Formats: sequence, structure tokens, C-alpha cells
Amino acid sequence: EADIYQTPRYLVIGTGKKITLECSQTMGHDKMYWYQQDPGMELHLIHYSYGVNSTEKGDLSSESTVSRIRTEHFPLTLESARPSHTSQYLCASSDPLKTGQGASGANVLTFGAGSRLTVL
Amino acid sequence: DAKTTQPNSMESNEEEPVHLPCNHSTISGTDYIHWYRQLPSQGPEYVIHGLTSNVNNRMASLAIAEDRKSSTLILHRATLRDAAVYYCILRSGAGSYQLTFGKGTKLSVIP
Repeated sequence: EADIYQTPRYLVIGTGKKITLECSQTMGHDKMYWYQQDPGMELHLIHYSYGVNSTEKGDLSSESTVSRIRTEHFPLTLESARPSHTSQYLCASSDPLKTGQGASGANVLTFGAGSRLTVL
Repeated sequence: DAKTTQPNSMESNEEEPVHLPCNHSTISGTDYIHWYRQLPSQGPEYVIHGLTSNVNNRMASLAIAEDRKSSTLILHRATLRDAAVYYCILRSGAGSYQLTFGKGTKLSVIP
């Protein structure tokens, strides 16, 4: 049963539109992440947050922005969508102290089902 | 982050064991070995992780070489539902919480 929710699952929009991909988790995790994945390709980290009011850019440069005003919510926004933004966006969360795995080496990530964005 | 090397693809017959290899020759002493898998059209899911000792859970077993430069994920009886991309990832135990995914191994299960 999923404890991390992403909406919308699928979105088709025109160029220039502003979009927000929602991600919410009910596990009380401090750490949240956004990954981008093109079909058949690797996942790339684009944003992460270690807590409220904390956001950092990931390994892959992205024109998207994120915010973390509440622990459970980590939305991703594209101010002006372009066809190059067409991709799948995956949200994840983790908290090493709450995974039941013991050592901090665990930090198990729980992923949402993803939001597949198509920009025409 | 230390890098891992996995075969691009593997095949297994249903109900037979599967051994998925991973090489990580540059692993450091604080790196944990994580395995995730991604079923078609879904986000990745955690499978197992370990540091030095072999590990077992309800999904799989993780065998870690004595020098830690390689590891093997073992699925004891492959089912069709195990067809997925399997990722072997090293995560530093020294502060960083991000995971860097590689290309993984695409496992096909033959009925």
C-alpha cells in the first residue's frame, strides 16, 4: 500500500503552460527527493530536501523548482513547460530513523508511482 | 560516489533461482550496498541492503564478497512478477542520503 502519492499520474499540456506536480507522503519522513526518468533510461536526481524550508538541486540540472513548506508535501513546478520537459517524474521520501533498519546506512527510499508529463 | 557495474540484461526461467551480479571495485569502507528494483510503469522499490555480512529478507538474499568488491542479489525462485530492472547502488554511510541510480540489469523471466 502506497504511503507516498503523486498527482497527476499523467499530464499532457501545451508549450508555455505552468504546471505543478504534487507529491505527498504520510510517513512523516524528513527527506524527500525528485528524480527524472526518460523511457528506458536511468533515474536522475533533480531536487532533494532534508526538511522544511530546505531544498537543494540534484545531480541533473533542471529548470523546475521545488518547495518544502510542510513536511509531508514536496511539489515540483515548471513555470513554462517545453517539449524537452517531457519525461517521467518520480518522487521519493526517506528517514533513516524510521525505516526500522537500524543503522543510518539503511535510508530506504519509498517511491511514488510517478507523474508522466508530455509537453506538446 | 563509487560506481557499480551490472550486466545490461539477464534471463531466467520461472521458478528457478536467479543470481544478479554487481561489481563495485572502488567501494569504500563506509559504503552500504543497496538493491532496488523497478517494475514496468512503476517507481523503484527497495529490495535489500547490506554492509559486510550476507543478508536475507522475504524478498531476496544479498551475498557480499569478503573483499566487498562485488555482491550478488539472489532471488530464490523467480516468478513472472520478478521481471524488472534491478539496480545495485552504493550509498555512503557518511552523511549523504541521496541514491545515484545506474542503468541496472533488466531481468526477463521466461514462463
